[in-house]
Amino acid sequence: GEDVEQSLFLSVREGDSSVINCTYTDSSSTYLYWYKQEPGAGLQLLTYIFSNMDMKQDQRLTVLLNKKDKHLSLRIADTQTGDSAIYFCAENTGGSYIPTFGRGTSLIVHP
Amino acid sequence: KAGVTQTPRYLIKTRGQQVTLSCSPISGHRSVSWYQQTPGQGLQFLFEYFSETQRNKGNFPGRFSGRQFSNSRSEMNVSTLELGDSALYLCASAVRGPSTDTQYFGPGTRLTVL
Repeated sequence: GEDVEQSLFLSVREGDSSVINCTYTDSSSTYLYWYKQEPGAGLQLLTYIFSNMDMKQDQRLTVLLNKKDKHLSLRIADTQTGDSAIYFCAENTGGSYIPTFGRGTSLIVHP
Repeated sequence: KAGVTQTPRYLIKTRGQQVTLSCSPISGHRSVSWYQQTPGQGLQFLFEYFSETQRNKGNFPGRFSGRQFSNSRSEMNVSTLELGDSALYLCASAVRGPSTDTQYFGPGTRLTVL
């Protein structure tokens, strides 16, 4: 199975909160990342969390890390239509030199 | 600081041709990684270069190759193009490497093989 798993789609109404979830398998992960990809563009780093943290907040974004369950989430408060994009979760582990990416979650925000 | 730049942004080629894509990393970044992104396979790692040396390689055929220059700029080459090579090719740079530092991605080169 995949090392990093995400659900493929999430649909929310403008103004609501969005929660995008990610699970990973390698307990030696050091950094965990969230990237955003808008149509036709590359990946934009949104935020990251170090594995010795359990929460990080950055304006409308909140990252929660549950190391015991190997679960990472990204919460976007007051979701706007401009937040519509694909969101990728990625992890760096001590054992693997190259970060592992999830397949991405398509966030659709409708008015 | 300027971000990662990739040229060209779009390419159309025919089967059997070869193509070269270019990536300029963020100033001061010595590691450059290449990824292939397709709807079916997601983001797949191609290779990573540091100080002009390939340090790591993904599971792609030998038709895919790359190099890095002394100024850290990198190129990747695909020979004998196949239809399945149509994809968005992303380049990412990091200060020392993707396992220790955050990667920053370029906008990608969209390659279409007809």
